[in-house]
Amino acid sequence: DGGITQSPKYLFRKEGQNVTLSCEQNLNHDAMYWYRQDPGQGLRLIYYSQIVNDFQKGDIAEGYSVSREKKESFPLTVTSAQKNPTAFYLCASSMVGDGYTFGSGTRLTVV
Amino acid sequence: AQKITQTQPGMFVQEKEAVTLDCTYDTSDPSYGLFWYKQPSSGEMIFLIYQGSYDQQNATEGRYSLNFQKARKSANLVISASQLGDSAMYFCAIENPGNQFYFGTGTSLTVIP
Repeated sequence: DGGITQSPKYLFRKEGQNVTLSCEQNLNHDAMYWYRQDPGQGLRLIYYSQIVNDFQKGDIAEGYSVSREKKESFPLTVTSAQKNPTAFYLCASSMVGDGYTFGSGTRLTVV
Repeated sequence: AQKITQTQPGMFVQEKEAVTLDCTYDTSDPSYGLFWYKQPSSGEMIFLIYQGSYDQQNATEGRYSLNFQKARKSANLVISASQLGDSAMYFCAIENPGNQFYFGTGTSLTVIP
């Protein structure tokens, strides 16, 4: 079955560490997105990519980095520059004319 | 710029009753799409229903229907015959022609037995 796989489901990070969240899709979608969700809040766009080897900053890109070396993969790195990284992270993909398909999310906690 | 407003942070409904979740939007694009997603406590986002800006009929998907009033820029979700499993967060979103989504802050729905 086609879909989006995010891993890990839960991730713990020590202060000052970089961590990378994985997002893989086999839907052949061109566009991929990363969102952050804080408790009781909506989704805020971190980065998005509409084609391989190209990506753009969203509304809250500071402290995050991404790459899009393959169509299927769009990993998100939460760097030590992100001062408040504890949140729920959702990856999504889409094709023009279709809605978003979301992954099941990664819950990141700073310990 | 697109903007989505969901004014009801929390709603309660009796099981088997209908409930309306409000959504208003602001966009300057003549072509756009409106979506509703359900987010249960597990966190995944589940697509519920879609309405295109040029669609003449209100969208329906099973127990979900969308009360689309284009002139008022509103796209309210109606859930009929509520079930306990409907308890979740509900998000309204607008898609612009560039295929970017903008989400509201969500409404938490609790179905009471």
